[in-house]
Amino acid sequence: NAGVMQNPRHLVRRRGQEARLRCSPMKGHSHVYWYRQLPEEGLKFMVYLQKENIIDESGMPKERFSAEFPKEGPSILRIQQVVRGDSAAYFCASSPRTGGPDEQYFGPGTRLTVT
Amino acid sequence: AQKVTQAQTEISVVEKEDVTLDCVYETRDTTYYLFWYKQPPSGELVFLIRRNSFDEQNEISGRYSWNFQKSTSSFNFTITASQVVDSAVYFCALKSGADSWGKFQFGAGTQVVVTP
Repeated sequence: NAGVMQNPRHLVRRRGQEARLRCSPMKGHSHVYWYRQLPEEGLKFMVYLQKENIIDESGMPKERFSAEFPKEGPSILRIQQVVRGDSAAYFCASSPRTGGPDEQYFGPGTRLTVT
Repeated sequence: AQKVTQAQTEISVVEKEDVTLDCVYETRDTTYYLFWYKQPPSGELVFLIRRNSFDEQNEISGRYSWNFQKSTSSFNFTITASQVVDSAVYFCALKSGADSWGKFQFGAGTQVVVTP
C-alpha cells in the first residue's frame, strides 16, 4: 500500500511565478491536510480538504494561496505570484476519516525555493 | 486556545545516554489526542505514538517511553540508551474537537543530536 505521495520533491520558482504542489493520499483515504514548515520551525496547519470540499482553511494566507481536492486526481496546493517568504517545506497528510484517534500519514514534503 | 510548547530547542547527548523531550499542551477540550512524530534529516515525518486524554497509562516501546500527566498537561518522551540514528527533530502534536478535529497543532520541535 503506497504511502502519501507528493510531487515534486523540490521546486524552484522565481519571484512572481506560480507554484503547484501535488499530493496523492494513501489509498482509501479521503481526507487531506496541508502543512507548511518554515526553516527551523514546526509545522503550521494550512488547510483541510475532503473530496470536492474545503473543510477548514483557517491557516491559509488570505491571498495568493488556494487548494483543491477534486473528485478525481490529486490534491493541489497552488501559490500564485510567489515571494521569497513562501520558501518552505510543504507537507501533505491524509487520513481515512476525521476526528478521534486517527493519526495523519505524512508525505515526504515538497521543498519550495523562491529565488 | 490550542497550544503545544516544546521548550527545548536542541538537546545534544553522547551515544547511550538517555534523553527526555518535554511537551506541554493547552486545550479546553476534555477529549483530545496527543502524538509524537520524528523528522529525521531526510525530512519525512514518522509517526511514533498516539495517546488519548482518557488514558494516562505510560507506554514503553523498545527504547522509547512516554509519560502522560494530565495534572501538569505534559506528554514527555524519553529515549533510553540513545543511538546516532535517533538524531532527528521530534514534534509533539495535539488534536481536539475544539479546534477542528481535522488538524494538528504542532509544537516547534526539539532537535536531538546524538554523537558517537
